[in-house]
Amino acid sequence: DAKTTQPPSMDCAEGRAANLPCNHSTISGNEYVYWYRQIHSQGPQYIIHGLKNNETNEMASLIITEDRKSSTLILPHATLRDTAVYYCIVSDANAGNNRKLIWGLGTSLAVNP
Amino acid sequence: GAVVSQHPSRVICKSGTSVKIECRSLDFQATTMFWYRQFPKQSLMLMATSNEGSKATYEQGVEKDKFLINHASLTLSTLTVTSAHPEDSSFYICSATPGQVGSPLHFGNGTRLTVT
Repeated sequence: DAKTTQPPSMDCAEGRAANLPCNHSTISGNEYVYWYRQIHSQGPQYIIHGLKNNETNEMASLIITEDRKSSTLILPHATLRDTAVYYCIVSDANAGNNRKLIWGLGTSLAVNP
Repeated sequence: GAVVSQHPSRVICKSGTSVKIECRSLDFQATTMFWYRQFPKQSLMLMATSNEGSKATYEQGVEKDKFLINHASLTLSTLTVTSAHPEDSSFYICSATPGQVGSPLHFGNGTRLTVT
């Protein structure tokens, strides 16, 4: 079973910020939080990951609560091309090449014009 | 960086034939690659872990004689679906990571297999 829970679907207006929540209350100390997204009929695309601190890259920002039990992915200015299924996954950073990812159903984000 | 290429992107085959799918890490070496399967409106399900120079590790319920995995080099893993049946029609995806602690997995663009 996936170690994370996410709302099944969300809507966002084009140009506005999309805030996607994720609950990972059983996360352990070695586990990172990873976010991926999957556009229809394509392979998953890596977005961002973090351990404790908030992270930002050219795609998104990741806000992790102090107790690490939840996080929020922020797409600052959503576009129609951001419509996709977003997956939040926790995984042991120290597993190296043998790290497996367990996928839930993610959040289906619809960005509306 | 960290690009994973998968080929073919789409294949249609007749029932009873075999199909080979290639997964390449283009700009890094990967001692381990992962193969997933995804049915419509479902999430990714891990099928097997491909290990360079040794046997693959299969997840429970995945037939190793039907889904042959060969990881002959540090940049190439292949998945062969043998004696394909219509129920094998699915979206197959591979992934790999450069392997540094915490580094994310990167995914190929998937192969849509249709068995007629």
